[in-house]
Amino acid sequence: AQSVTQPDIHITVSEGASLELRCNYSYGATPYLFWYVQSPGQGLQLLLKYFSGDTLVQGIEGFEAEFKRSQSSFNLRKPSVHWSDAAEYFCAVYGGATNKLIFGTGTLLAVQP
Amino acid sequence: SAVISQKPSRDICQRGTSLTIQCQVDSQVTMMFWYRQQPGQSLTLIATANQGSEATYESGFVIDKFPISRPNLTFSTLTVSNMSPEDSSIYLCSGGTATYEQYFGPGTRLTVT
Repeated sequence: AQSVTQPDIHITVSEGASLELRCNYSYGATPYLFWYVQSPGQGLQLLLKYFSGDTLVQGIEGFEAEFKRSQSSFNLRKPSVHWSDAAEYFCAVYGGATNKLIFGTGTLLAVQP
Repeated sequence: SAVISQKPSRDICQRGTSLTIQCQVDSQVTMMFWYRQQPGQSLTLIATANQGSEATYESGFVIDKFPISRPNLTFSTLTVSNMSPEDSSIYLCSGGTATYEQYFGPGTRLTVT
């Protein structure tokens, strides 16, 4: 069965530091992968997606993610974090024939001044 | 990206009553979904809203408790029936496109007293 694991529940980084949020997936075929961000009191916003092709995908607001099939990973990165990036981040995989998105448990990012 | 609107944005309801949440999507959307997000948790899919027919419910969710309508391609409602405090959650509507992305509404924050 498809699944998504986000090993880090909470992460704190200093403003201006780099960020990497981990995501591991389990899926039999080539996955369609997504990262979403949820700011406090808001819905989910799509940051980026991977379907095929170049394994390094660029998203909005300076985020990028790298698909590594050998590691079943799709980690999210940002070179320099801003205080406004404090939010919860969800990784998701498209469930194929079920037409469902399967979400990880989320990583809550705090940004220190 | 698709535009998803949802109302009400929040409500406080008494035990035993029902609340109907409305979701409007733009024309890029082919599928509509309803999710529940309990405090501090990830998203749980309640059902896929099908146009003109009964919704497809996930395990643990039943039509009597969460009746869903989708009278046309761009509109759906979710009713939370006979509410109890355990139904206090954020309820999110999403629209899925032909390229498998899902876009989310801002959510409805429900508190049951």
